[in-house]
Amino acid sequence: GQSLEQPSEVTAVEGAIVQINCTYQTSGFYGLSWYQQHDGGAPTFLSYNALDGLEETGRFSSFLSRSDSYGYLLLQELQMKDSASYFCAVMRGNTPLVFGKGTRLSVIA
Amino acid sequence: DGGITQSPKYLFRKEGQNVTLSCEQNLNHDAMYWYRQDPGQGLRLIYYSQIVNDFQKGDIAEGYSVSREKKESFPLTVTSAQKNPTAFYLCASSIERQATRRGNEQFFGPGTRLTVL
Repeated sequence: GQSLEQPSEVTAVEGAIVQINCTYQTSGFYGLSWYQQHDGGAPTFLSYNALDGLEETGRFSSFLSRSDSYGYLLLQELQMKDSASYFCAVMRGNTPLVFGKGTRLSVIA
Repeated sequence: DGGITQSPKYLFRKEGQNVTLSCEQNLNHDAMYWYRQDPGQGLRLIYYSQIVNDFQKGDIAEGYSVSREKKESFPLTVTSAQKNPTAFYLCASSIERQATRRGNEQFFGPGTRLTVL
């Protein structure tokens, strides 16, 4: 089977940096994705890592270490609007994504 | 504008009734998915379809049924056999079945919140 582990909740201060970790156990791993979901809304794609290393997109960066089965999402210069749930998801080829249970990020003033 | 529509946004039904949730996409995507989300929980896959007239069970298919008669449409029926149907239901689609530069990015509809009384 497959499993993904990520913290259930994280709290950080506006303007700070926060890292959300994700560890996974799966066969046939292709890559790791991150999605953001605001309360009551639809998840939206943030990033995808197929290779080891850091991918940067504006204030958000995502990291993958295939040898450690580990990745993280890094959010810099936190804003109140970043308060949301963040899901990591494993890509395993010709099968649907497998999502983690999500990390609820609360940004406080 | 291309996208995914789900209707209605809120749905109330009496216990024992079947109910069908609509999902339509005009993105010309091959694959479509149905997820269930409970408070504080992740996305659990109910059914998915990678091509017209074909679909596969996900992790929690019991009590649900789907059809894929057209590429654009993937309706989900919540039957009376589903023991705890009250939840937030999300439909999604992706451009192709194989890995892509964006990890087979899924585009989600706005969701339908189903409450069974």
